[in-house]
Amino acid sequence: AQSVSQHNHHVILSEAASLELGCNYSYGGTVNLFWYVQYPGQHLQLLLKYFSGDPLVKGIKGFEAEFIKSKFSFNLRKPSVQWSDTAEYFCAPFGDSNSGYALNFGKGTSLLVTP
Amino acid sequence: ETGVTQSPTHLIKTRGQQVTLRCSSQSGHNTVSWYQQALGQGPQFIFQYYREEENGRGNFPPRFSGLQFPNYSSELNVNALELDDSALYLCASRRAADTQYFGPGTRLTVL
Repeated sequence: AQSVSQHNHHVILSEAASLELGCNYSYGGTVNLFWYVQYPGQHLQLLLKYFSGDPLVKGIKGFEAEFIKSKFSFNLRKPSVQWSDTAEYFCAPFGDSNSGYALNFGKGTSLLVTP
Repeated sequence: ETGVTQSPTHLIKTRGQQVTLRCSSQSGHNTVSWYQQALGQGPQFIFQYYREEENGRGNFPPRFSGLQFPNYSSELNVNALELDDSALYLCASRRAADTQYFGPGTRLTVL
């Protein structure tokens, strides 16, 4: 099964600061990767996904992520965060066939953006 | 809004009891997955149903069971509840190997 590691568990940034959240996965074959966000009191929402093609993926709300196969990484970036970006962020690859290719979530990163 | 609905929103049970959670998938989605999210953790995969058959399971004991109906809605049943079963239970639906869309979850508290 593909596992995933998110390096930063808690991040605090000021508004307008740049954001980069790390995500590394373990598997060398075909990889499908997702970033989901969970705003306080809301359901999980898809930020962006990578299946194939251009390794630089753009998502909603100005987020982007770069798939670097050689580093097994899929880091999430945003050039300038806003207070409304305060949320939990989860990186998740598809699991293997035993899981029916369900999502294999990381532990998440809690982002707090201060005014 | 994702079109995935879950009921009930909140539930309080005592140890040893049984619980059934329900999920209605988004229109056209034939695959439903269930996840358990403990406080401060990422969602953990419980199991998945595709066209009424379980086609994937995570590391959860058999007292976690489920069903999928012909309209692709689904149920999660948990028997012999334990305190550690207290969590947010998430349902997600999708079509084939595509993006999963999540419902708002059911918050289960076991006393």
